[in-house]
Parts: sequence; C-alpha cells; structure tokens
Amino acid sequence: AQSVSQHNHHVILSEAASLELGCNYSYGGTVNLFWYVQYPGQHLQLLLKYFSGDPLVKGIKGFEAEFIKSKFSFNLRKPSVQWSDTAEYFCAVPFTGGGNKLTFGTGTQLKVEL
Amino acid sequence: DTAVSQTPKYLVTQMGNDKSIKCEQNLGHDTMYWYKQDSKKFLKIMFSYNNKELIINETVPNRFSPKSPDKAHLNLHINSLELGDSAVYFCASSLGTSGIVNEQFFGPGTRLTVL
Repeated sequence: AQSVSQHNHHVILSEAASLELGCNYSYGGTVNLFWYVQYPGQHLQLLLKYFSGDPLVKGIKGFEAEFIKSKFSFNLRKPSVQWSDTAEYFCAVPFTGGGNKLTFGTGTQLKVEL
Repeated sequence: DTAVSQTPKYLVTQMGNDKSIKCEQNLGHDTMYWYKQDSKKFLKIMFSYNNKELIINETVPNRFSPKSPDKAHLNLHINSLELGDSAVYFCASSLGTSGIVNEQFFGPGTRLTVL
C-alpha cells in the first residue's frame, strides 16, 4: 500500500536560515505529490504539487520541492525562511484505490524564531 | 466568497450526546471529504462523497454518519459521542477526475471537544 513518511517532526530555525523538509513515499503507480501547509489555527492550504514534467516544482511564498524518482523523495525547500512561515507542513500522496483520496504524512512542525 | 465553509467552528458537548457538523462548498466541485485531525496533528480521511454517493469509507465507527443532500453539501452526524472523538474535523472538496488526483480545498475546521 502507498505510504508517505516525513522524517522531521519538529524543526526550529532562525529567520533567514534555509529550510529543507524531507518527504519519502512508497508508491508504484503514477506519481502525484503534494505539500500542504497549516498555519496556526487555520485550515490546510496547498503549497505546491507535482503531477508530471519538470521535477523541480515552484510553489507559493517562495517554496519549492524536487521530485527525485530514484530516491522516492519530494523534499520541500525554501532558501530563506521568515517568521511567518511558522506552521505545520504536510506531504501527501494519492491513494491507488481511487476516490481522489490523499494519504497525508504525519506532518512537520516548523517554528521560525526572530 | 468563502470556498469551503463549516459550521460550527467550535463544538463543546457531553459524552453520549449526538451532534452534527455542516459543510458547504461553492467551488462547483463534485467530490467532498471529511478528515479527522487528532491532537498530534495527524490527519486521516474518514469519508469521501462524489456526486452525493459514498466512495470512501475508512474504518470509522458507525456512530459517524455522513449525509450529502446535494453535491455542494456534506454533513457529518455523530451519535453517542465519546471522549476519543475530540479532534478537529476538516471538510474538503475537489474536482473528482478519474485517474487524476486533484488539489483538495479545505474548510476552516470544527474543533470538537467531548467532556
């Protein structure tokens, strides 16, 4: 069965530091990959998605992710984080059983300090 | 112009009670979902409806009963509430295109506290 794992559960960075959050998936079919963000007290919003084509995907707010098929990875990156990036970040992959179901990773809590 | 809305935002109730959470989307999507997010932020799908028909039903106690009167609404009714039901419940919607997993748009969540 497909699954997704996020290695970093809690990350603390200073403003302007670079960010990389890990996401690995196990999935044998056509790969669609998503990163969602949940700001404190808010709902999930899509950061970026990969369906096909260029493996380097640009998202909102300066985020990007690279799909590396050989490593089954889709790590999220940002060159310089801001305090406002403090949030929970979720990687997600689709369910092969249909129904447009997404399986979410356990999330990574990012705290950016001033 | 809210895309996916849920009511209520907060729900505090006693064990054993029955409660409902409502969800509406104005995006013209044909697929809607209910997710449960526990205290550790783990997000798990509960149900999915496509054009008012149930297509995903995860291992959820039958005390939880979704109802979709039309494709813009997906309500969640919970009977005999238990302490373990305390969580944040998110509604979401997407275009249900066969073979393609589309972006899901989430509602603001309903924080349910069972005392």
